[in-house]
Parts: sequence; C-alpha cells; structure tokens
Amino acid sequence: NAGVMQNPRHLVRRRGQEARLRCSPMKGHSHVYWYRQLPEEGLKFMVYLQKENIIDESGMPKERFSAEFPKEGPSILRIQQVVRGDSAAYFCASSRPPNYGYTFGSGTRLTVV
Amino acid sequence: TQLLEQSPQFLSIQEGENLTVYCNSSSVFSSLQWYRQEPGEGPVLLVTVVTGGEVKKLKRLTFQFGDARKDSSLHITAAQPGDTGLYLCAGEDDYKLSFGAGTTVTVRA
Repeated sequence: NAGVMQNPRHLVRRRGQEARLRCSPMKGHSHVYWYRQLPEEGLKFMVYLQKENIIDESGMPKERFSAEFPKEGPSILRIQQVVRGDSAAYFCASSRPPNYGYTFGSGTRLTVV
Repeated sequence: TQLLEQSPQFLSIQEGENLTVYCNSSSVFSSLQWYRQEPGEGPVLLVTVVTGGEVKKLKRLTFQFGDARKDSSLHITAAQPGDTGLYLCAGEDDYKLSFGAGTTVTVRA
C-alpha cells in the first residue's frame, strides 16, 4: 500500500462531532476514490474525485457526508454530526486514469462513541 | 444487493495443503480483480482478469475466469502461513469497484 497516505489511522469521535479523513494519492495519480468497509460487510464505493471535481458521489449518504479534492493538498472526506453507525474503516484509493490499476491506502478506522 | 458472492466465508487449513476460493457474480463486469487484505491494512491488488476463460498464475496462486465472465476462482498450492488473510474479489465497471464480502483464509503452521 506504499504511496497512498491516509491519516489519521485511527479516529475516535463522540456522537455529534465532525470527522475529517485525509488522503494523499500516490505520486502521479490524479484520480481518488473513497470506500467504506462496515463490520462484517464488504467495501462499498462512496465517491470518485479528480482535482477540484466530484465525478461520481452516488455511494455517499445524502446527508452529513461530503468529499473534496482541492487543487493543492489531500482529498478530504468529511462527516458532520457523526453517529454510531458511521463507525467503519474508510479506505482511499488512487489511480492514473481509471482501469489502470488501483492502489489503496491503509485506511482510517473511525470509532464513534 | 450483493452482486458478488464469495465462498466459502471462512477457510482454515494446514500448511502445505491446497485451497480454492470462489467468486460468483450476478453481472458481467469489464474486469474482475482479486485483492488480499491483511488486518489493519488496505486491500492489495493480486491480479486483474478480463477475458473469459483466462488463467493467470502468480507463483503458487492460480486465477481462473469463467467463460461467461461471471465466475472466478483463486487456487493456492502448498499454502503457507504468509498466505493468511482476507481474499476479496471485485468487479470493475469504469472506475467503480463492487466487492464481495471476502473469504478469510487461515493457514496453520
């Protein structure tokens, strides 16, 4: 998983707080994808971004979740007013254009208490 | 709706034995990918198969893709403790990966 950097690795938030998850793609990759892995479930697609553009956010919950990939800096997945059901591992992947192979980061494990 | 079914869910074998895990899809994807995920880490791509009937070998791992491009298998020969992990298959459509729930493989020394 070298190359895609996610931080923090672990994040604990109380119900109602905000969670910010960061992802720096692999060098040379300009396409970023976020996936969520709930306990006992497979990884589920959330959103696909290119620099300054959201290409597909069909997997994002309609409320409280947002994502961005600014011109400078990492991609951010933001969860407002977290609830216990948001507890999961959140993985970021990056690629050159799609279909050229995806590299995943080590994930951020969010726990809502 | 779970588009990719993986079986078995759990598999525990002795070092040196062979194992096979299966992935069956209700849809045809542009490609099918196999990943291995270790605890606390992200998935790592093992192989991508595209063509029906395709067979790919990666050292002791053999990947097969069915003729109809809906089913796939991963066979490990002479398993080692280092093969322990969660094996995931994923169907790709454009940029979106749909993952199965995975097979947890444990190889006992």
